[in-house]
Amino acid sequence: EPEVTQTPSHQVTQMGQEVILRCVPISNHLYFYWYRQILGQKVEFLVSFYNNEISEKSEIFDDQFSVERPDGSNFTLKIRSTKLEDSAMYFCASSVRQSNYGYTFGSGTRLTVV
Amino acid sequence: RKEVEQDPGPFNVPEGATVAFNCTYSNSASQSFFWYRQDCRKEPKLLMSVYSSGNEDGRFTAQLNRASQYISLLIRDSKLSDSATYLCVVNFGNEKLTFGTGTRLTIIP
Repeated sequence: EPEVTQTPSHQVTQMGQEVILRCVPISNHLYFYWYRQILGQKVEFLVSFYNNEISEKSEIFDDQFSVERPDGSNFTLKIRSTKLEDSAMYFCASSVRQSNYGYTFGSGTRLTVV
Repeated sequence: RKEVEQDPGPFNVPEGATVAFNCTYSNSASQSFFWYRQDCRKEPKLLMSVYSSGNEDGRFTAQLNRASQYISLLIRDSKLSDSATYLCVVNFGNEKLTFGTGTRLTIIP
């Protein structure tokens, strides 16, 4: 079964550092997403991406965050200057159509900011 | 505000029993509905979509009541492997999925 691949599985970074989380979506999918889940809390939407641009973003997704699809296969989330409160699981997802059909999540990157 | 509410549990249920979860959502214009399953520290996995007419997949039955704005999930003949957190998820007609907090289920041998 095709899957969404995320790397690294765990990243530890110092507060104020930049991190890039990487995702390889399923190859024929056109819609890409990042979600996060702080430990013990609900899964929260960050951003959706279609046709090489952001189609929607949440209030969490401020100027410190950016996304990119640099080479037609990878989909990255960059956090410019990490804060302690950015510590969470970050899940990438992709779908062949818009989200009303549900989508497939990657196994996540656990980001720990110290 | 568009919200999805679930009873967080935990539900501790003996193996073989039937268990049901409910979920309510805030917006009557919501478009699509799902149940996801999440194991501890893993990604959410789509369990089933929920259709207006109700739908069944093996031991799992999902129901949607648009008038009352709730969704249910019934698990029959529960197995140890059903232990997980069950996430109620709604698409409110935009690009994103809105998740409930999840209901934790533990099946006891």
